[in-house]
Amino acid sequence: GQQVMQIPQYQHVQEGEDFTTYCNSSTTLSNIQWYKQRPGGHPVFLIQLVKSGEVKKQKRLTFQFGEAKKNSSLHITATQTTDVGTYFCAGAIYNFNKFYFGSGTKLNVKP
Amino acid sequence: NAGVTQTPKFQVLKTGQSMTLQCAQDMNHNSMYWYRQDPGMGLRLIYYSASEGTTDKGEVPNGYNVSRLNKREFSLRLESAAPSQTSVYFCASSRPVGGTYNEQFFGPGTRLTVL
Repeated sequence: GQQVMQIPQYQHVQEGEDFTTYCNSSTTLSNIQWYKQRPGGHPVFLIQLVKSGEVKKQKRLTFQFGEAKKNSSLHITATQTTDVGTYFCAGAIYNFNKFYFGSGTKLNVKP
Repeated sequence: NAGVTQTPKFQVLKTGQSMTLQCAQDMNHNSMYWYRQDPGMGLRLIYYSASEGTTDKGEVPNGYNVSRLNKREFSLRLESAAPSQTSVYFCASSRPVGGTYNEQFFGPGTRLTVL
């Protein structure tokens, strides 16, 4: 069964609105990664979180790892059309090197 | 520096045919992975290789075999293709085992259709 659940499946926003996607695991994760995939492309690494309660920022993107290391979120402030794509989380369980991907959140941004 | 390369880019097979998907990386990474991506399912790990000479099953290994030919190359073989194996296949590699920084670099993918 799927180890890492991700919601929502789709999100349509107006340019300038905020966006958040969430990942949850029933099992404690060793670490979690986030990827972005543009239509027709391959996943591209955004960030990795390792520590409990960790928060990292990349310009308009904020990534959080829960205290129990079972959930994570990606928040984009003031979306732009260049943010369009599917965002995936990938959690490692027991093994830092073997990852379970969430099903992804497809973001569409209307100009 | 090409990163991760995959061949072929596209392939159409008939049920029962066999084929091998090739993957190579030039980043001196120890770990390599094969994923399949189906609509609405995210990426599912088929097999991975933590280092040269070792391979392990992922979430969905049935119907597939792998070979870690050397540190650079990791191939995926379908012995008898089935329509359920129609998917996009991605190969990935990551930095040396032992570090906590395991960013995965993905290849461009192989789009496989089994009729």
